[in-house]
Parts: sequence; structure tokens; C-alpha cells
Amino acid sequence: QQPVQSPQAVILREGEDAVINCSSSKALYSVHWYRQKHGEAPVFLMILLKGGEQKGHEKISASFNEKKQQSSLYLTASQLSYSGTYFCGTELRRDDKIIFGKGTRLHILP
Amino acid sequence: DVKVTQSSRYLVKRTGEKVFLECVQDMDHENMFWYRQDPGLGLRLIYFSYDVKMKEKGDIPEGYSVSREKKERFSLILESASTSQTSMYLCASSQTGGYTEAFFGQGTRLTVV
Repeated sequence: QQPVQSPQAVILREGEDAVINCSSSKALYSVHWYRQKHGEAPVFLMILLKGGEQKGHEKISASFNEKKQQSSLYLTASQLSYSGTYFCGTELRRDDKIIFGKGTRLHILP
Repeated sequence: DVKVTQSSRYLVKRTGEKVFLECVQDMDHENMFWYRQDPGLGLRLIYFSYDVKMKEKGDIPEGYSVSREKKERFSLILESASTSQTSMYLCASSQTGGYTEAFFGQGTRLTVV
């Protein structure tokens, strides 16, 4: 039931772009994105609802393809502070439990 | 500032002990969650509560139970701790309304020996 994230890990140089994907086998109500730095709690980045609404981070963008049950997180001109593990979480209906994927580790090199 | 507080950062328990992990949120959120985090497996949902005394099993409820007697407090109970339950446990809460994020506690690193 966990959504599938890809890639599992990414290494970039500062200033490069990255895309992290999340896909589900079930029709989704929403997709959440969170970032977790080592030793810290996951922190909310963005939520995307079916129908096109979204709320989130100023410098990070995401898309949600409802027909394919897929979402992508776009990290442009990456900064060192973007390093961490990114998780997507999915809800099948409004106010449902959030099921997270296995995460994507992102490492930014100076 | 919103806050989800877990009672312990680190806990060491013996096999067979009954273990209580406590979580308190101060945001009047309806939803509360318990996740388990293991390397390579991501965040796996143990239990979800959408109201006081209401709960729903997650993906890995075996060996765990929960209690939510008050809105702000959600407890995870390991009935008889086993070494396989050594893990990081994360509590989270969110508001209902269809458009709200989850806030996480700092986690409890539980070691069962």
C-alpha cells in the first residue's frame, strides 16, 4: 500500500536540479511531501489535492497527475540545505490516514 | 508555535516488558498517527486515530495497541516488547479539513534488549 518513490537516492552538485517521483496504485485524494534531515523530524513541504489545489514551500514546486496517480517534486537550483530524505505521503480520501513511501535520499555537494 | 511532544527521546526496555510511548499535541488536532521508521523502509503507519477513542489500524499493527482517551494525547503500547520492535517511533498530528499538513514529534528511539 506504500506509494513507490524513485529514485532511491540522488547526489547532486549545488545549483543542479532534481526530480523525485511518487506513484500509487490507487486513486488518490492528496499527495504530501516532507523533508527529513538527519536526526530531525520530517517537516512539511507541500500538499497537492486532486482538482489542482496546492499549498506549500515557496522555492519548491510539485505536480500531481490524478489520472496516473503520480506526483513529482521539483528541486531547482539546489542548495546545500536541500540535503535530506524526502518522503511522499498519500491519502485516499479527505482526512484519511497518510501512508508514506520509503523515501528518497538527496545529497548536495558543494 | 505548533508542538508535538513525545515523552522520551531514547528508551531501553527488556524483552517481554509492556512499553508505553506517549505523544501530546497542543494544536487541538483531530488526527493523530504513530509511525515506525526503519532504514530503507521509510515511515510505516502503525495506527491512526481520527477522534477521541476512535482508531484505525495502519499497515503494521501487529504487536501494538493504542489509546486515545483525550484529544491531545495518543499513546502507543507494545504489549510484550520484542527485539524486532527496536526502532524509531514517530508521532504526528494533523487537523481535519482536507488540506492540512502533518506535524511530527522528535521521535523516540526504542531499543529492546
